[in-house]
Amino acid sequence: NAGVTQTPKFQVLKTGQSMTLQCAQDMNHEYMSWYRQDPGMGLRLIHYSVGAGITDQGEVPNGYNVSRSTTEDFPLRLLSAAPSQTSVYFCASSRPSSGELFFGEGSRLTVL
Amino acid sequence: GENVEQHPSTLSVQEGDSAVIKCTYSDSASNYFPWYKQELGKRPQLIIDIRSNVGEKKDQRIAVTLNKTAKHFSLHITETQPEDSAVYFCAASKGSGTYKYIFGTGTRLKVLA
Repeated sequence: NAGVTQTPKFQVLKTGQSMTLQCAQDMNHEYMSWYRQDPGMGLRLIHYSVGAGITDQGEVPNGYNVSRSTTEDFPLRLLSAAPSQTSVYFCASSRPSSGELFFGEGSRLTVL
Repeated sequence: GENVEQHPSTLSVQEGDSAVIKCTYSDSASNYFPWYKQELGKRPQLIIDIRSNVGEKKDQRIAVTLNKTAKHFSLHITETQPEDSAVYFCAASKGSGTYKYIFGTGTRLKVLA
């Protein structure tokens, strides 16, 4: 049972480049979300999904896109990377009845 | 907008002493309050949570209290051990659902042997 799997673990981009952070979960969780973690700022919600085909914005959605075509996968797309997007990104999944977030291992992104 | 304030940002205690971390929230509709522990370089993991219909919950050495009227909740760790050293985050549900959360800014706890 892998839980929540994120790839890549590390990535360096140049300003303006695009990339996709992959997230997959094998727990059949309805809810999935993306957070970014910056020093001194805790975890901030970027986008979330309550089921396949349904996504919505969180606190800091600008510069990011998501889609949820299957229950298992929830990729995060950076369309044109900016230095302000340098951060550690966590994908998480949960069940509505529980509320407990199961996080992936995180992806450290540096934008030069 | 809604926010969660967490204090202190750093906390050092001697092994065996107690540690208390406090959070306040602003969304009156919040009804679920989890606490996560994040060890260095690792992912956050849930250690305890409380729902708005309960005032206190305990699990071995950790406990959480909730005061809905004052909109604050606290994490209590007793008999601290070196392995309790980590960053702790409180969170509050955004509204009454369990799919969106506002996190506090974290408390770095150091347990000194």
